[in-house]
Amino acid sequence: SQTIHQWPATLVQPVGSPLSLECTVEGTSNPNLYWYRQAAGRGLQLLFYSVGIGQISSEVPQNLSASRPQDRQFILSSKKLLLSDSGFYLCASLQPVKGTEAFFGQGTRLTVV
Amino acid sequence: AQSVTQLGSHVSVSEGALVLLRCNYSSSVPPYLFWYVQYPNQGLQLLLKYTSAATLVKGINGFEAEFKKSETSFHLTKPSAHMSDAAEYFCAVTELSGTYKYIFGTGTRLKVLA
Repeated sequence: SQTIHQWPATLVQPVGSPLSLECTVEGTSNPNLYWYRQAAGRGLQLLFYSVGIGQISSEVPQNLSASRPQDRQFILSSKKLLLSDSGFYLCASLQPVKGTEAFFGQGTRLTVV
Repeated sequence: AQSVTQLGSHVSVSEGALVLLRCNYSSSVPPYLFWYVQYPNQGLQLLLKYTSAATLVKGINGFEAEFKKSETSFHLTKPSAHMSDAAEYFCAVTELSGTYKYIFGTGTRLKVLA
C-alpha cells in the first residue's frame, strides 16, 4: 500500500509570510495527488488536484498555489498567508482506477497569527 | 454532480450500544462509496468501501455499511460501540472520471459515553 509523508506536522506563521507544505508518496507511481483543507466544522474541502507532473487543477479561488515537480511530490504554497488560511491540510494519493481508495498523510496543522 | 450528505454532525452513544452514522448520496450513475475515520490531528483511514459488488460491506474494527440504491443511502453501523471508536467519520463518493476526486460529507463526530 501507499505511504504519504507530510511535513511539517504543525506550523505557526504570521500573516503575510510565505508558506510551503510538502507531500511525498511512497509505494506507488503515477498517482493522482490531492490537497484538502479541513476547517473546524466544515469537513474536507478539495483545494488542488494533479493527474501528472506539472499538471495542477484548482478547485477554489484562493491565496494558495500547488506544484508537482516530481511524480510523487506535491507542494502547497503561498506567497502571503492570510488569517483565513488557517486549518488542517491533508495530502492524498490514489491510483487512477475506478473504485480504488485514497491514502492520506497525517496532515499539517497551520495556524496563521 | 455527485454529492454526499451526512445527517448529524455529532452523535453520542453509550459504550456497548449500536452505532449508526447516516450517509446519503446523490449520483446519476452507480457510485463508489467510502467511509473514512479520522482520529484527532491525524489523517484519514479507510474503514470500508462499496464498489458495486456485495451491497453489505464489512470493514475494519467491526464496522459495516449497507448500500441501498432505493434510498440512496450508505449508512455505517457497528453493533457495539467501544470507547476507541470515538472519532470523526466521513462518507465520500468518487467521481468516475480520470480525476477520481473524492467528494466528502461534512463529517460526523462520534462520542462514546462510558
